[in-house]
Amino acid sequence: EAQVTQNPRYLITVTGKKLTVTCSQNMNHEYMSWYRQDPGLGLRQIYYSMNVEVTDKGDVPEGYKVSRKEKRNFPLILESPSPNQTSLYFCASSLAWGSNEQYFGPGTRLTVT
Amino acid sequence: GESVGLHLPTLSVQEGDNSIINCAYSNSASDYFIWYKQESGKGPQFIIDIRSNMDKRQGQRVTVLLNKTVKHLSLQIAATQPGDSAVYFCAESSTGGFKTIFGAGTRLFVKA
Repeated sequence: EAQVTQNPRYLITVTGKKLTVTCSQNMNHEYMSWYRQDPGLGLRQIYYSMNVEVTDKGDVPEGYKVSRKEKRNFPLILESPSPNQTSLYFCASSLAWGSNEQYFGPGTRLTVT
Repeated sequence: GESVGLHLPTLSVQEGDNSIINCAYSNSASDYFIWYKQESGKGPQFIIDIRSNMDKRQGQRVTVLLNKTVKHLSLQIAATQPGDSAVYFCAESSTGGFKTIFGAGTRLFVKA
């Protein structure tokens, strides 16, 4: 089944404890992206990747890192999480950077205390 | 920065009626406008997109209208069904689709 998977789906952590949220897609998509969703703000783009080893900042990149060493994986790294990073995170992928049809993962709900 | 917003946060319609969800955008340079549907507990799902040089595009039971003069986008859903209950987001992207900017969303309730 063609899909985007994220792990973990739920995470509660403490301020300053490094964490990684994994994202994987099995559709051989070139483009991948991370968003956070907060009430009343919609989805805001954190980082995106046009292909392996090519990443760039979205609108809210502060406090996040990403890497794209393989085409299928695009992990989101929070080196020192803070409470304002408590949010619902979505990973998405699309066939190529010119495609508007993004496929979203199921989301990861992160709580930082 | 640019923003994409919505006129109404919630919309309630009777099953079988047509729904119209509106969206205002501010970036005239956007090349594509996109609608996504998000059901409870799930990630957004692509519905339809429209290129900026078009006024109208139709899909299965959905029509998107683009009015560039007033920077307005709408999604029309024909014969709304209970399964259409969800949050609908409009979004915009520039050439290449590197960045996508989402609006805040409209929640659609379908009354049986």
